[in-house]
Amino acid sequence: KAGVTQTPRYLIKTRGQQVTLSCSPISGHRSVSWYQQTPGQGLQFLFEYFSETQRNKGNFPGRFSGRQFSNSRSEMNVSTLELGDSALYLCASSLAGQGWGYTFGSGTRLTVV
Amino acid sequence: SQELEQSPQSLIVQEGKNLTINCTSSKTLYGLYWYKQKYGEGLIFLMMLQKGGEEKSHEKITAKLDEKKQQSSLHITASQPSHAGIYLCGAAPTQGGSEKLVFGKGTKLTVNP
Repeated sequence: KAGVTQTPRYLIKTRGQQVTLSCSPISGHRSVSWYQQTPGQGLQFLFEYFSETQRNKGNFPGRFSGRQFSNSRSEMNVSTLELGDSALYLCASSLAGQGWGYTFGSGTRLTVV
Repeated sequence: SQELEQSPQSLIVQEGKNLTINCTSSKTLYGLYWYKQKYGEGLIFLMMLQKGGEEKSHEKITAKLDEKKQQSSLHITASQPSHAGIYLCGAAPTQGGSEKLVFGKGTKLTVNP
């Protein structure tokens, strides 16, 4: 079966712009989580969606937002980009969240210049 | 908040050698995940441990969970260059529910032929 698909793989944006990243989970998976990975902070949780509802949110500013559609696909949006937003953004899908195992996508590498 | 400390931070071994990576939690473990990551790519799920004393193996990789010590270890037998990468442990902060995963900073493994 197809894995978790993230698009695009690479993005270069300018400070102040906004960006939208997409994540298509494994078929049948209803939970989608987003993580930011940087060399300094490692993997940090952004938010988790289950059945179109945000169930949990990490400690990120309001510029980071997300949503989930009825087909479980998810998008995350970052507005007013800052240089420090440059990172690998990973999404993970699961049948029902914690305890069921998470499958990660290959990530979107965002570079802010 | 829960923190996971991985040791060592990096490891260089000769092909054929055995090695162990440790992951110690600052709080009670309710599930421990091991992932492998190639640089700049997504995380590959290795194993999930949920019960104290649980031990799982896949090919030449064995992981154990010591609930009392709040620790998990990942052991690779007869390492190969294909084992090279960054190994990450992730933990569920609470039992059940939909809590985020907390990750360690990773252990970078280099296997020299």
